[in-house]
Amino acid sequence: DADVTQTPRNRITKTGKRIMLECSQTKGHDRMYWYRQDPGLGLRLIYYSFDVKDINKGEISDGYSVSRQAQAKFSLSLESAIPNQTALYFCATGSTGFGELFFGEGSRLTVL
Amino acid sequence: DQQVKQNSPSLSVQEGRISILNCDYTNSMFDYFLWYKKYPAEGPTFLISISSIKDKNEDGRFTVFLNKSAKHLSLHIVPSQPGDSAVYFCALTTSGTYKYIFGTGTRLKVLA
Repeated sequence: DADVTQTPRNRITKTGKRIMLECSQTKGHDRMYWYRQDPGLGLRLIYYSFDVKDINKGEISDGYSVSRQAQAKFSLSLESAIPNQTALYFCATGSTGFGELFFGEGSRLTVL
Repeated sequence: DQQVKQNSPSLSVQEGRISILNCDYTNSMFDYFLWYKKYPAEGPTFLISISSIKDKNEDGRFTVFLNKSAKHLSLHIVPSQPGDSAVYFCALTTSGTYKYIFGTGTRLKVLA
């Protein structure tokens, strides 16, 4: 089983719909992140969290919200999806101190 | 304004030759630097890192070089293998922030 699990892996929705992407991890890490990947723009940080009570905005948080339900769970919501939110979304985790991030396999979202 | 740039969107290299991927940044506060590799339909995976107190770090076929005065990071892969064909991202962070900013990515193709 993957250490960082994202659901759903693929989702097609319509403009204006509410969408939630979920992430759970078994690594026991405190830090969790949401990124989106777009061609030519790389990975851009949406939100990140150090623990259940500590949520921080990233580079592109407008139009998104997050919830850290537990140390192991971090969900990303699009309250009213729009077509330019069509992208590949990645969840990542990091342990205390310097070190690498560990990524999930991604959730591909298409907004029509 | 992009803080981290990978100016070559793509790179083709012959098998056995050296691959050099570059990353430029603007913020001198970054002090920890990482490289990630991403295959299609998978999440990014950590490759190698370097802290600002060093100018070189080596791990097998992979070497990362850091030129702080030029705000330039590079990844050398030698010898390149077809299995190295992937998208490579640099990622940068600053001590204590745990906020990782990624570059735009370079697609490497190693030709057999």
